[in-house]
Amino acid sequence: GQQVMQIPQYQHVQEGEDFTTYCNSSTTLSNIQWYKQRPGGHPVFLIQLVKSGEVKKQKRLTFQFGEAKKNSSLHITATQTTDVGTYFCAGPPYGGSQGNLIFGKGTKLSVKP
Amino acid sequence: DTEVTQTPKHLVMGMTNKKSLKCEQHMGHRAMYWYKQKAKKPPELMFVYSYEKLSINESVPSRFSPECPNSSLLNLHLHALQPEDSALYLCASSQWGKLGEGYTFGSGTRLTVV
Repeated sequence: GQQVMQIPQYQHVQEGEDFTTYCNSSTTLSNIQWYKQRPGGHPVFLIQLVKSGEVKKQKRLTFQFGEAKKNSSLHITATQTTDVGTYFCAGPPYGGSQGNLIFGKGTKLSVKP
Repeated sequence: DTEVTQTPKHLVMGMTNKKSLKCEQHMGHRAMYWYKQKAKKPPELMFVYSYEKLSINESVPSRFSPECPNSSLLNLHLHALQPEDSALYLCASSQWGKLGEGYTFGSGTRLTVV
C-alpha cells in the first residue's frame, strides 16, 4: 500500500533560523496537502498543491510539489515560536479515491526563543 | 460557520460500555471522516462518508460502528472496546470533488478505555 515518509522526524531550531521538512510518497499522488498540529491540538489545513512542480508561498512558508508528484517540501524562513507544532503532509494516491487521504508521519518542530 | 464540532471532548469508558461520539458541521461539506490518532503518531483513516454513504472502511474492527444520519452529522458508536483503542478520535469534513480547500478537523474526542 501507499506509504508517505517525512524527514526529519524532529527538528529543534533557534528562533530566527530556517526550517525544512521533506515528504516522500511511494506512489504518485493526485495532490499533496500540508497540515499543522499544535501540541494538544488538532490538524489545521495549510495548503494544497496539485500541479507537478508547483510552488506556493504563504508569508514565511514556501511549499513545493515535485515534478514526479511523489515528493514535496515545506520551508519556513526565520522561524518564530508560533511555528511550534507537528507538520504533516498528506495525499490521496493518484487514481485512488480522493477520500483516502494518507498522512505522513510528521515532523515535530520546536523553536527555542 | 467554519467549524467541525465534536462531543464529548473527553470520554472514559469501560470495556463493556456502549458509547457514541458525535460530530457536526454546517459548512455544506458532503464528505465526512473519522480518524484515529495515537500519541506522537499521524492521524489514521478509519471511515469516509460521501453524500451520506459509507465509501471507505479501512478494515476497522466491528466494535467501531459509524453512522451518518444526515449531511451535517456523523456518529461513531463504540462497543466492547479494548484499552489499546484509547486514542484521540478526530472527525473531519471536506468538499467532495473540489480541490484546494483541504479537510477541516474538529478538536477531537480524547477516549480512554479502562
